[in-house]
Amino acid sequence: EPEVTQTPSHQVTQMGQEVILRCVPISNHLYFYWYRQILGQKVEFLVSFYNNEISEKSEIFDDQFSVERPDGSNFTLKIRSTKLEDSAMYFCASARYREFVYGYTFGSGTRLTVV
Amino acid sequence: DQQVKQNSPSLSVQEGRISILNCDYTNSMFDYFLWYKKYPAEGPTFLISISSIKDKNEDGRFTVFLNKSAKHLSLHIVPSQPGDSAVYFCAASEQTSGSRLTFGEGTQLTVNP
Repeated sequence: EPEVTQTPSHQVTQMGQEVILRCVPISNHLYFYWYRQILGQKVEFLVSFYNNEISEKSEIFDDQFSVERPDGSNFTLKIRSTKLEDSAMYFCASARYREFVYGYTFGSGTRLTVV
Repeated sequence: DQQVKQNSPSLSVQEGRISILNCDYTNSMFDYFLWYKKYPAEGPTFLISISSIKDKNEDGRFTVFLNKSAKHLSLHIVPSQPGDSAVYFCAASEQTSGSRLTFGEGTQLTVNP
């Protein structure tokens, strides 16, 4: 079964450093997403991406965050200057269709720890 | 953000019995609802969804019921199996206006052999 692949699985970074979280969505999918889950809290939407541009973003997704699909296969989330509160599990997801009848497919996540 | 709420953090059920997981929402603009299952160290896995124009959707052992007037949905698993033990998330979307999912807190289901 096709998978969404995320790397690395764990990342530890110093506060103030830039991090790039990488995702390889399922190859024929057109819609891409980032979500995060801070320990003990809900899974939260960050951003959706379609046709090489952001289609929707949450209040969390401020100027410190950016997304890119640099080569048609990878989908990256960059955090420019990490803060302690950015420590969370970050999930990438992709979907073939915008409609939710098939849900969308999540990766296994990257655990980001900011120290 | 309390738009989607799962009030039971945990549920324990005997193998073979029915598991009922509940979810409430407050946003009347939500028009699509999904259930995801999550094992440790994995991402959420899509289980089943339902549009607001329906009140029931069934897929094998999984059935989702939607009560729009009560803003309540439930996931029934019959019969429950030990492999169903996982965290179950309810999620909702205003499909017509955006693509984001709003998640509940999750319910840890444990199915005992």
